[in-house]
Amino acid sequence: AQSVTQLGSHVSVSEGALVLLRCNYSSSVPPYLFWYVQYPNQGLQLLLKYTSAATLVKGINGFEAEFKKSETSFHLTKPSAHMSDAAEYFCAVSRDTGNQFYFGTGTSLTVIP
Amino acid sequence: GAGVSQSPSNKVTEKGKDVELRCDPISGHTALYWYRQSLGQGLEFLIYFQGNSAPDKSGLPSDRFSAERTGGSVSTLTIQRTQQEDSAVYLCASSLDGTGDTEAFFGQGTRLTVV
Repeated sequence: AQSVTQLGSHVSVSEGALVLLRCNYSSSVPPYLFWYVQYPNQGLQLLLKYTSAATLVKGINGFEAEFKKSETSFHLTKPSAHMSDAAEYFCAVSRDTGNQFYFGTGTSLTVIP
Repeated sequence: GAGVSQSPSNKVTEKGKDVELRCDPISGHTALYWYRQSLGQGLEFLIYFQGNSAPDKSGLPSDRFSAERTGGSVSTLTIQRTQQEDSAVYLCASSLDGTGDTEAFFGQGTRLTVV
């Protein structure tokens, strides 16, 4: 069975500081992993995905995530936060077929000027 | 269309009335998902369609909820006898073929308010 745990429902960082959003997964098979962002009153937009190629995945808007099998983690980082990064972030794991996506409960990122 | 389209974007209904929410997936996408997002909550899976296969209805919260997908394209989520706890944003997503490494593309959602 697959599941995702996002540690910290709310994260606040200062503008220009490092962003670190945590995601741990459980999966009986090597997973596919995704990070989505949701801006206010909008749907979800894909930031990046891991599909068993490079373990360090680069996404849009300067975000990246590293797949660490030994830690069952897929944390999202950005070196320098921007005010426009304020949003809700969701980690998701999927399986090969069928109803594929299992979403975490989300982390709300606040950027302090 | 270029993206997943949902209508209406907002819906206010009286308790006890039925509502229909529509989703137009990206053309050619065989997989379609419905999720519910309550205020401050994550995404709650409702139902999944893949091609001509029987839908996965395991997430529907009660028999008041149903969904269909006509011609492998447009989907309608119907909520009968709406209750106040049904108030939420209903998100639709589609993906190319439902395999694990293909991302889902989301619509902007329908915000349902039951008064």
